[in-house]
Amino acid sequence: DAGITQSPRHKVTETGTPVTLRCHQTENHRYMYWYRQDPGHGLRLIHYSYGVKDTDKGEVSDGYSVSRSKTEDFLLTLESATSSQTSVYFCAISDMGTYNEQFFGPGTRLTVL
Amino acid sequence: GENVEQHPSTLSVQEGDSAVIKCTYSDSASNYFPWYKQELGKGPQLIIDIRSNVGEKKDQRIAVTLNKTAKHFSLHITETQPEDSAVYFCAASNSNQFYFGTGTSLTVIP
Repeated sequence: DAGITQSPRHKVTETGTPVTLRCHQTENHRYMYWYRQDPGHGLRLIHYSYGVKDTDKGEVSDGYSVSRSKTEDFLLTLESATSSQTSVYFCAISDMGTYNEQFFGPGTRLTVL
Repeated sequence: GENVEQHPSTLSVQEGDSAVIKCTYSDSASNYFPWYKQELGKGPQLIIDIRSNVGEKKDQRIAVTLNKTAKHFSLHITETQPEDSAVYFCAASNSNQFYFGTGTSLTVIP
């Protein structure tokens, strides 16, 4: 399995609180992605990174920000969590961006009450 | 952007039968089409992929076909086994992003 870990694996929080999810890789892959998975929607891209300090928005980026200060870490922040952000969040990595396989982490289940 | 549609959303087959899942895409610039299998509580895992310069690819019991003109691609699983039960996602990628279908929940009945 690709060396990807996500933390925390489960989190319950309240509306309006900030939340940060962490993705850590040991593969030295250049590209990192954050997706959310919801029933009936499949996987939807939130943000992605194509290098340290280089990030861009995906199709559902509103309400989320990201940071990548090191190759191995990609952080996803919900500045003020809302119930609509209750979801399962997956991190993925790739060495060649969209031209090759993505490897997914185990996911983080986030519940916003 | 790209729009990927996947059918059916659920599929039940008898063990040993074949299963077919179909996807369509909208962006003719998409050039890489992976298929992922997701087991309960885990992240998706690549099972097969195909690039736009190839029409068909096979790996043991799994095959994928691509029709660039019609903008559709399909996953074929032959001789299904109970361990094939999972959710399957197709995806299409252009230069920037992967776009995923909404998933097919496959149940193989022993």
